[in-house]
Amino acid sequence: DARVTQTPRHKVTEMGQEVTMRCQPILGHNTVFWYRQTMMQGLELLAYFRNRAPLDDSGMPKDRFSAEMPDATLATLKIQPSEPRDSAVYFCASGTVSGIVHGETQYFGPGTRLLVL
Amino acid sequence: ILNVEQSPQSLHVQEGDSTNFTCSFPSSNFYALHWYRWETAKSPEALFVMTLNGDEKKKGRISATLNTKEGYSYLYIKGSQPEDSATYLCAFIASGTYKYIFGTGTRLKVLA
Repeated sequence: DARVTQTPRHKVTEMGQEVTMRCQPILGHNTVFWYRQTMMQGLELLAYFRNRAPLDDSGMPKDRFSAEMPDATLATLKIQPSEPRDSAVYFCASGTVSGIVHGETQYFGPGTRLLVL
Repeated sequence: ILNVEQSPQSLHVQEGDSTNFTCSFPSSNFYALHWYRWETAKSPEALFVMTLNGDEKKKGRISATLNTKEGYSYLYIKGSQPEDSATYLCAFIASGTYKYIFGTGTRLKVLA
């Protein structure tokens, strides 16, 4: 059955290194969301795309984070340079807008668990 | 400051009991409310998207209601089963900005 996939599932890196996380949305979905889960903040929305265009990335630290959708089958979230406080689980979700934006059901990927030492 | 609160923070119920919990949100600037079910070590699962005052949604034994005028949504589980054990999370989406503000969740444990 169709599902959102994320790679890598786990990543351990050292402070200062670049980290790239990838998400493959469900085929045919036109919205993609990036979330971060931390112990302190819970679940936070970082950015979202509709039809590959970034609609909002205000939840993302701009100086080091960037999110892109090079094509309809791939979304990326990049951290450069990474810091220990970026350690978290990063979830991608996709959905299909059929009515109002943010009225769609979102389907979550398994997450990327990132540890920055 | 927009604040979303969920209560209770956690609860234990016996298998077969019905239960409900609350998501409270600002009554102004409402755009939509999402409910998620999140099992430990898994990904969140979307349950409901609620947009209109008076909305009632149902999925199996789980249902939800929405009151945007007073700023709350209830989630009900009828005849709780151990597999319902999870954290139930709500997210308020503000109109205009479309900011997602998540509650801290209600952690449900259903005892067999």
